[in-house]
Amino acid sequence: EVQLVESGGGLVKPGGSLRLSCAASGFTFSDAWMTWVRQAPGKGLEWVGRVITKTGGGTAEYAAPVKGRFTISRDDSKNTLYLQMNTLKTEDTAVYYCVAGVGFTPLDYWGQGALVTVSS
Amino acid sequence: DIVMTQTPLSSPVTLGQPASISCRSSQSLVHSDGNTYLSWLQQRPGQPPRLLIYKISNRFSGVPDRFSGSGAGTDFTLKISRVEAEDVGVYYCTQATQLPWTFGQGTKVEIK
Repeated sequence: EVQLVESGGGLVKPGGSLRLSCAASGFTFSDAWMTWVRQAPGKGLEWVGRVITKTGGGTAEYAAPVKGRFTISRDDSKNTLYLQMNTLKTEDTAVYYCVAGVGFTPLDYWGQGALVTVSS
Repeated sequence: DIVMTQTPLSSPVTLGQPASISCRSSQSLVHSDGNTYLSWLQQRPGQPPRLLIYKISNRFSGVPDRFSGSGAGTDFTLKISRVEAEDVGVYYCTQATQLPWTFGQGTKVEIK
């Protein structure tokens, strides 16, 4: 059974930093494209960025609103995905979902999400 | 960026009756590899999204066959043949053909 468990969410002041983790199990993590998607309270879904497999180059791509502030990385030895968020803004407040693409689409399986609140 | 436009944004449906959601993209979603990376997601109240349909018309694992997808190019449709109570939620179309990946605004399906 595929499981994606996010952690590291919480309350942070504007300008602060936070790192989310996503522990994956039930599939070959190193073969999966991994993605972060966020959802502001009461709003729709917004793609944050994704990282491809190490064998495919391991490159990460980002949405314009977070480029230069957020960094996605992966540790295949720990089956864990990370999202380092710096210079946080109030508009970054959202539930952040970790999503795994295991072969059907890049968005096959979703975690439960981690709430990040940016407020003074 | 590719803009995904869904209609309607709200769909009150009688139990056992069909429902249909349309999704239109601002550009063709046909990838250079020949695939069309158009998917449909379901988000039940208080739950994370889950994949229903991928590459236009393929049902994901465990998805009931009352859900079907169709379309091509820039116009796509999700149909529920007979709505059940557990189908209440918000449905999103999404494209992964071109970065940045984008989502429709969501269509809320509720029971009349």
